[in-house]
Amino acid sequence: EVQLVESGGGLVQPGRSLRLSCTASGFTFGDYAMSWVRQAPGKGLEWVGFIRSKAYGGTTQYAASVKGRFTISRDDSKSIAYLQMNSLKTEDTAVYYCTRVGPYGGHLDTTFDYWGQGTLVTVSS
Amino acid sequence: QSALTQPASVSGSPGQSITISCTGTSSDVGDYNYVSWYQQHPGKAPKLIIYDVSKWPSGVSNRFSGSKSGNTASLTISGLQAEDEADYYCSSYTSSNTWVFGGGTELTVL
Repeated sequence: EVQLVESGGGLVQPGRSLRLSCTASGFTFGDYAMSWVRQAPGKGLEWVGFIRSKAYGGTTQYAASVKGRFTISRDDSKSIAYLQMNSLKTEDTAVYYCTRVGPYGGHLDTTFDYWGQGTLVTVSS
Repeated sequence: QSALTQPASVSGSPGQSITISCTGTSSDVGDYNYVSWYQQHPGKAPKLIIYDVSKWPSGVSNRFSGSKSGNTASLTISGLQAEDEADYYCSSYTSSNTWVFGGGTELTVL
């Protein structure tokens, strides 16, 4: 069974940093791209960014709203994806979901087929 | 990248069919057959119900179906049930190698 478990959320002041982790199980983590999606309170879903598998260079892409502030990385040996968030703003307050980009485990993967339960990040002074 | 356009709300009675539209541009919905739909119940994580415009993930009911014409994708739910009441989001892969979501549609089962 595929499972994604996020951790690391909490209350942080504007301008500070926070790192989220996503621990995966139930599939060959290294074969898949991983992505982060967020949802501000009472709002819709917003794609944050993703990291390709090592087979496709392990490169990253980000939404314009977080580019230059957020960094996604992965540790395939531990089956963990990370979201490093720097220079946080109040508008970054949201539930952050970790997702697997699937469903094939290859270059045709373009959907978020499994989601974690989310972790809440609150940016406030 | 602007969000895809969805109606804010739709409603239907049990047993009826409803359709939710998702309008994008030639750089996303119109350029790829990579539209997905997600169902989200209150307080829960989203769940994939349709991918690649019209494919079903394992375990998803075939009462959910997807289609696309030009820059607009659609999700149809047939035989509406009380448990279908939820928020629905479309998403599309884009020509910039990114993804974009729709604003979400609240479905009410009357």
